[in-house]
Amino acid sequence: QVQLVQSGAEVKKPGASVKVSCKASGYTFTGYYLHWVRQAPGQGLEWMGWINSDSGGTSYAQQFQGRVTMTRDTSISTVYMELSRLRSDDTAVYYCAREGGGPAVASHDYWGQGTLVTVSS
Amino acid sequence: DIVMTQTPLSLPVTLGQPASISCRSSQSLVHSDGDTYLSWLQQRPGQPPRLLIYKISNRFSGVPDRFSGSGAGTDFTLKISRVEAEDVGVYYCMQATQFPRYTFGQGTKLEI
Repeated sequence: QVQLVQSGAEVKKPGASVKVSCKASGYTFTGYYLHWVRQAPGQGLEWMGWINSDSGGTSYAQQFQGRVTMTRDTSISTVYMELSRLRSDDTAVYYCAREGGGPAVASHDYWGQGTLVTVSS
Repeated sequence: DIVMTQTPLSLPVTLGQPASISCRSSQSLVHSDGDTYLSWLQQRPGQPPRLLIYKISNRFSGVPDRFSGSGAGTDFTLKISRVEAEDVGVYYCMQATQFPRYTFGQGTKLEI
């Protein structure tokens, strides 16, 4: 079965960087894009960007350009999201989500459990 | 960017009764390939989101048939034919037509 397992919670100081991992299993890793979506406490979902797990190509939401980097390691079926120059309003749960294939393309069919990132001095 | 607007933002419902959530996009979601990439997700309290519907009206694997999606162009609707207790949560629409930028609606909180 498809599983996305994310790394554990992080606490960071303002100005620092955080790197969250998402390990995929149960499907051909390089056959799908992986997206990152975040959710601030009590707020809605915010799309951050995606990575093509095969080519490594990326696309980022404009508000994160210059601060976010998404990478992958195909040898261990893992994608990473690194966010730099953290601010207090980056405190959120960060999710990875697989973009579906076939008929379900362009939808997020499987999600990781989420990683809480807290930014506090 | 395409803006997605959901109404209502809060929806009190009665068990066994129907419920309906609207999602409107600022531009047509019909892609140049002829498909419309509008999906619906459910987020139960304390859980990650879960895909319910893709491409307007297609139920994802394992989704009960009391959930249905409809619409076209800029106006879309998610309907629950008979609300059950496990349906409590927040529902989001999402557009992926404006590839590579995806956007979510603000969310609609369904409460009994």
